[in-house]
Amino acid sequence: GQQLNQNPQSMFIQEGEDVSMNCTSSSIFNTWLWYKQDPGEGPVLLIALYKAGELTSNGRLTAQFGITRKDSFLNISASIPSDVGIYFCAGQRAGGTSYGKLTFGQGTILTVHP
Amino acid sequence: GAVVSQHPSRVICKSGTSVKIECRSLDFQATTMFWYRQFPKQSLMLMATSNEGSKATYEQGVEKDKFLINHASLTLSTLTVTSAHPEDSSFYICSASPDVKGTDTQYFGPGTRLTVL
Repeated sequence: GQQLNQNPQSMFIQEGEDVSMNCTSSSIFNTWLWYKQDPGEGPVLLIALYKAGELTSNGRLTAQFGITRKDSFLNISASIPSDVGIYFCAGQRAGGTSYGKLTFGQGTILTVHP
Repeated sequence: GAVVSQHPSRVICKSGTSVKIECRSLDFQATTMFWYRQFPKQSLMLMATSNEGSKATYEQGVEKDKFLINHASLTLSTLTVTSAHPEDSSFYICSASPDVKGTDTQYFGPGTRLTVL
């Protein structure tokens, strides 16, 4: 099935550094979502974006819905060790046969060194 | 946020046996539930969408006779892996949505680790 192009695939950073990751798609989505998954667990929703151009924050996390509706980015400021995990973007459409279904990016593995 | 549980959290079975995985929405009615499969170091891939009281819709390439889905109530969906083989070993994750189209927020379960020997 289709996957979103998520970059980077992995990041190794020092505690306190900022992190940025993005997702791009060849097609339009109506909703962009960012999830974090810890090992052996299900994904947990971090931020949901519903309008093109929308910029939303959740604590140290900030995400934006691209103007073209084909991309989104997630920033994490002042990283801490518990930010370690896999971050996934997901796009959702509101029409056609894909109605409601989520398409996930490949994930970004984040490692934070104390 | 809403809570979704899965049972069992991990299961080991012999090749050729069938395994049932339950997905429950604990504090809301889930009109739509989704089943995903995730192989190690890979992303989540949607297997099927189920609506309460109707047949599940399977994604291309997913065998409906092998992965039986039953969404018998508004709080429970089950995935049965029939005649499991080692290549079916994976992390199976469900999500639940209160919306009939699943466009409302999807809440994910903690996943079930299936190992087929």
